[in-house]
Amino acid sequence: QKEVEQNSGPLSVPEGAIASLNCTYSDRGSQSFFWYRQYSGKSPELIMFIYSNGDKEDGRFTAQLNKASQYVSLLIRDSQPSDSATYLCAAHTNAGKSTFGDGTTLTVKP
Amino acid sequence: NAGVTQTPKFQVLKTGQSMTLQCAQDMNHNSMYWYRQDPGMGLRLIYYSASEGTTDKGEVPNGYNVSRLNKREFSLRLESAAPSQTSVYFCASSAGTGEAPLHFGNGTRLTVT
Repeated sequence: QKEVEQNSGPLSVPEGAIASLNCTYSDRGSQSFFWYRQYSGKSPELIMFIYSNGDKEDGRFTAQLNKASQYVSLLIRDSQPSDSATYLCAAHTNAGKSTFGDGTTLTVKP
Repeated sequence: NAGVTQTPKFQVLKTGQSMTLQCAQDMNHNSMYWYRQDPGMGLRLIYYSASEGTTDKGEVPNGYNVSRLNKREFSLRLESAAPSQTSVYFCASSAGTGEAPLHFGNGTRLTVT
């Protein structure tokens, strides 16, 4: 079993809709969680991070964390075609280890 | 400010050959990482170095060795390349604190024939 699991894709939403991406993790030593976006052929880039239970909002993006359920999610509101990419969830432990899920590919259709 | 620099960008090896992938960061980061990414897959952690002088195995360390040469540099060595090591390799660094994100290099595309 992978340490970080993401909901299988691909995910397709119409422009302007909400895209919901989910992630679960198995290492209870994980302390902080990151969402990265990766365009085809490019390096991952940070969207946002979260380390406290609850919601964290940044513009059109909202990350949610539930440590009891070992669950992390990312909501993208008012999805745009430029949001079409692969989204990677990562769990980071205090020992310095960062483990990624397999990613969810999102397509936003105009 | 270059960030994280990886060399080479592309490499083709024959089975059994060896090579070293180089990575350097200029952000004074404590932690450095090597990942591989196969087509349609996420990033799999090969080795990481939480701080200068330490290295630890990740998810897929077999067939690889690493050296944290100093705070700036973290190299990945393939002693005897195999076709299964064909992949895109990413180096990353971070400040090492809980909320510090990873900063990635541009990747090395390695093909082993």
